[in-house]
Amino acid sequence: KAGVTQTPRYLIKTRGQQVTLSCSPISGHRSVSWYQQTPGQGLQFLFEYFSETQRNKGNFPGRFSGRQFSNSRSEMNVSTLELGDSALYLCASSLARRQTINYGYTFGSGTRLTVV
Amino acid sequence: GENVEQHPSTLSVQEGDSAVIKCTYSDSASNYFPWYKQELGKRPQLIIDIRSNVGEKKDQRIAVTLNKTAKHFSLHITETQPEDSAVYFCAASKGSGGSYIPTFGRGTSLIVHP
Repeated sequence: KAGVTQTPRYLIKTRGQQVTLSCSPISGHRSVSWYQQTPGQGLQFLFEYFSETQRNKGNFPGRFSGRQFSNSRSEMNVSTLELGDSALYLCASSLARRQTINYGYTFGSGTRLTVV
Repeated sequence: GENVEQHPSTLSVQEGDSAVIKCTYSDSASNYFPWYKQELGKRPQLIIDIRSNVGEKKDQRIAVTLNKTAKHFSLHITETQPEDSAVYFCAASKGSGGSYIPTFGRGTSLIVHP
């Protein structure tokens, strides 16, 4: 069964531009979460989408947004890019069934974003 | 919200030695504690997990212990091998209505010297 697929794998953007990243979850997984990973900061939670609705949100500015489609695929958008947005962006999908914990929480390979 | 502290940030050992990574958490309601291994350039992968109703869990050379009273949990790797070199992340979470958002520690870079 296919894993979590993130596209593109690498991206170089200029300050001030915007970018859209894509995440296709494991078939049947309805929850998609996004993380920013930078050296020394670990994995910082951006937001989680479930059934096309943002269910949880981390402490990131409004320049970071996302959405989820009816097939559970999710996109993350960053507007007005800053140098500090350079990072590995990971998504993770899970079944997220009621009364279960970490049912199949699986990460994608990430998108490496470089802002110049 | 939950806060997870992880130590050390870097751990260097000789092949065959044991390695221990420690984490503390702040929310006493957290009930699930996974550990992830991230090799260079790859995605984090779950290697072992423990639930709050269990004190210890072992899987071959790796084991995790949990002390709910002190709110800390540890990863133990015995007979380390060069392929154990990676960044290890601990996490704490509490499932609620199917929503599962783990809070991660900052990671420990484990280096195993042959």
